Amino acid sequence: AQTVTQSQPEMSVQEAETVTLSCTYDTSESDYYLFWYKQPPSRQMILVIRQEAYKQQNATENRFSVNFQKAAKSFSLKISDSQLGDAAMYFCAYRSARGSEKLVFGKGTKLTVNP
Amino acid sequence: ETGVTQTPRHLVMGMTNKKSLKCEQHLGHNAMYWYKQSAKKPLELMFVYNFKEQTENNSVPSRFSPECPNSSHLFLHLHTLQPEDSALYLCASSQVEGATYEQYFGPGTRLTVT
Repeated sequence: AQTVTQSQPEMSVQEAETVTLSCTYDTSESDYYLFWYKQPPSRQMILVIRQEAYKQQNATENRFSVNFQKAAKSFSLKISDSQLGDAAMYFCAYRSARGSEKLVFGKGTKLTVNP
Repeated sequence: ETGVTQTPRHLVMGMTNKKSLKCEQHLGHNAMYWYKQSAKKPLELMFVYNFKEQTENNSVPSRFSPECPNSSHLFLHLHTLQPEDSALYLCASSQVEGATYEQYFGPGTRLTVT
């Protein structure tokens, strides 16, 4: 079974600085998808960024980018120019490209942004 | 209404009560999901419905009973719950086929079992 590990329960960053959240996963599959979701306090979980395993190029979405290392099974999220609105729980998730639509989530990292 | 909506947003119920959670998606998706989010634990997938058919039951106790009357609506019927069932229950939807596969989440129902 696939597992997702987020080793940093909490992180903090100064406004306008850069922070990197770590995620590792375990799978025997070669084709899959990886996601970072953001869950602000008392608000809806939203997708931040997505990476297809067959793509070598790292995904980017404005201030958010990933460092996808397939061999190392690592999928970190970099947030540049951090803003107060980035404060949230961040969840890394894995989905197989075949069969089940099941998302496997990590335990999450709570990000605090200090003004 | 847009996206995925859930009602009620908060629910307090006794262990002998029967209640239902409702989820509605306005995205034209054909798959819907129930997740349980407890403190200090990863999100746990409970049920998956594709085209109204249940395709996954993640060993959920029978005191949780899902119902999917159509691709836009999903219910979770609750009865004789335990205090450890207190959690945030999230509904999500997605396209089964397509290039993206991401799931869109509702705001959740905060359930407290007394």
